[in-house]
Amino acid sequence: GENVEQHPSTLSVQEGDSAVIKCTYSDSASNYFPWYKQELGKRPQLIIDIRSNVGEKKDQRIAVTLNKTAKHFSLHITETQPEDSAVYFCAAKGNNDMRFGAGTRLTVKP
Amino acid sequence: DAGVIQSPRHEVTEMGQEVTLRCKPISGHDYLFWYRQTMMRGLELLIYFNNNVPIDDSGMPEDRFSAKMPNASFSTLKIQPSEPRDSAVYFCASSFQAITDTQYFGPGTRLTVL
Repeated sequence: GENVEQHPSTLSVQEGDSAVIKCTYSDSASNYFPWYKQELGKRPQLIIDIRSNVGEKKDQRIAVTLNKTAKHFSLHITETQPEDSAVYFCAAKGNNDMRFGAGTRLTVKP
Repeated sequence: DAGVIQSPRHEVTEMGQEVTLRCKPISGHDYLFWYRQTMMRGLELLIYFNNNVPIDDSGMPEDRFSAKMPNASFSTLKIQPSEPRDSAVYFCASSFQAITDTQYFGPGTRLTVL
């Protein structure tokens, strides 16, 4: 089955700086890669996703890149704000399952 | 739409008791997912249904766990007998027509097994 690794486990940045979170996956057949944001005590919410036929996708301050050859994908947040502070999860969809990374706790200091 | 509805929001039970968690997906969504979240293991997909039919239950930890979806608007996740290591937040999510459509999560059920 799919195995997803996520780094770093914690990330602290100054407001206005960029944040990058990286994930690797093992199943070359994986074709869908969502990113979720989970604020403390709340439910995960999809913030952006990318499919295997696309190399990059952007939505305002958030972008995701995918390198199928290397089997890794990354989340980029620019101009970070305190409200970006949360745990971020990557995931990869294999044939029939969805595996999640362990999460990255992002703290944006004002 | 009210979104995905889960009940109860909190459940405290004693080891050995049966626990039933409930979920109502968003109307019109064909897919329903059950997840478990713990500090140690993170977010895990337990099982998912398509049009009320279980598609993949490989994430179900053991035979003590079972899930059903008797109709398009209701699903249950049952643990019998419960154990302290089952303590976690259990999320239900639904998506429109594919596993790759946006999954909308419910508020979760926080289960504590004493």
